[in-house]
Amino acid sequence: GEDVEQSLFLSVREGDSSVINCTYTDSSSTYLYWYKQEPGAGLQLLTYIFSNMDMKQDQRLTVLLNKKDKHLSLRIADTQTGDSAIYFCAESPPGGYQKVTFGTGTKLQVIP
Amino acid sequence: GAGVSQSPSNKVTEKGKDVELRCDPISGHTALYWYRQSLGQGLEFLIYFQGNSAPDKSGLPSDRFSAERTGGSVSTLTIQRTQQEDSAVYLCASSPGDRPGTQYFGPGTRLLVL
Repeated sequence: GEDVEQSLFLSVREGDSSVINCTYTDSSSTYLYWYKQEPGAGLQLLTYIFSNMDMKQDQRLTVLLNKKDKHLSLRIADTQTGDSAIYFCAESPPGGYQKVTFGTGTKLQVIP
Repeated sequence: GAGVSQSPSNKVTEKGKDVELRCDPISGHTALYWYRQSLGQGLEFLIYFQGNSAPDKSGLPSDRFSAERTGGSVSTLTIQRTQQEDSAVYLCASSPGDRPGTQYFGPGTRLLVL
């Protein structure tokens, strides 16, 4: 079945860039997503990228997709303490109404 | 507009009791998902409803778990004869259906089974 993997933990200093990585196994993935979960809250969609794109930028967020290696990354520029959260990547296959597979989540700790 | 709401926000129950968790999705969203998140774990898919189609129940961990969605809107997740290992946060999400990964999550119900 589909599998999405992430490293569990990342620590960065405030003002530095953070890079959160994700690998997936389903080569038919159509969309790939990044979600953010703050303590005690549900997940919030941050951004997504279509599989025919290599990069997408949205303010401080940059998503890079290497489809050949099935590798997705999320770069957060000028990381702030408010960015401390768990970040999940997710993938969905083509075909419209389908189940989404989430990664295990990466906990980002921003040190002031 | 209103987001996804879940109730109760917290539930403490005794082992062996039944519990019902409720999810109110965003109006007009055709897809509804239930997930379970244990402490320090990722999301475990439980069940998925899409319109009038038969639900995808492939993630339900045992026959003690069931869910229904009435009128294509509100959903209830029922856990019968709760066990301590059922303690987790149960998250509900809804989606407009055009991009299944574009899901809007509720705040979750924190279930503790003593």
